[in-house]
Amino acid sequence: EAQVTQNPRYLITVTGKKLTVTCSQNMNHEYMSWYRQDPGLGLRQIYYSMNVEVTDKGDVPEGYKVSRKEKRNFPLILESPSPNQTSLYFCASRLSSYYGYTFGSGTRLTVV
Amino acid sequence: AQSVSQHNHHVILSEAASLELGCNYSYGGTVNLFWYVQYPGQHLQLLLKYFSGDPLVKGIKGFEAEFIKSKFSFNLRKPSVQWSDTAEYFCAVNEGSSNTGKLIFGQGTTLQVKP
Repeated sequence: EAQVTQNPRYLITVTGKKLTVTCSQNMNHEYMSWYRQDPGLGLRQIYYSMNVEVTDKGDVPEGYKVSRKEKRNFPLILESPSPNQTSLYFCASRLSSYYGYTFGSGTRLTVV
Repeated sequence: AQSVSQHNHHVILSEAASLELGCNYSYGGTVNLFWYVQYPGQHLQLLLKYFSGDPLVKGIKGFEAEFIKSKFSFNLRKPSVQWSDTAEYFCAVNEGSSNTGKLIFGQGTTLQVKP
């Protein structure tokens, strides 16, 4: 089944403790992206990648890192999480800009 | 910078009523446009997309949208809503003239359909 898989689904962590949210897609898509969703703000793009080793900042990249060492994987790294990064995170992938993104099931992160 | 604006934040309709959700974007060049739906507790699913050709596009579940270039709009419509259409709807846009990973979303519109 074609899908975007992200883990974990739920995560509670403490301020400053580094964490990684994994994302993998099995559709051979060139493009991958991370979004955060907050009430009243819609989805805001954190980072995106157009190919292996090619990444670019979205609208809200501060406090996040990404890497694209393989085509199928695009992990999101929070080096020192803070409470304002408490949010619902979605990973997504697509073939090109003429196609919509296919989204993963989401990761609900709480930073206390 | 590109931006997307959805005017209606919360819409309440009765079953069988007609739906129109507004979406305006600010970008003067070629655009690709999308509407997504998010059912409660789920991830986003693509309803329909426009990138060229007929400005009236049909999507899944009976939804359609019309691209009006002169108004920078891409409004979503459905002639008769059902209770199962209760969800949050997002409009999104990216630059159409080049391959880009960037996709900008609006703030979303929550639709509540009363049975």
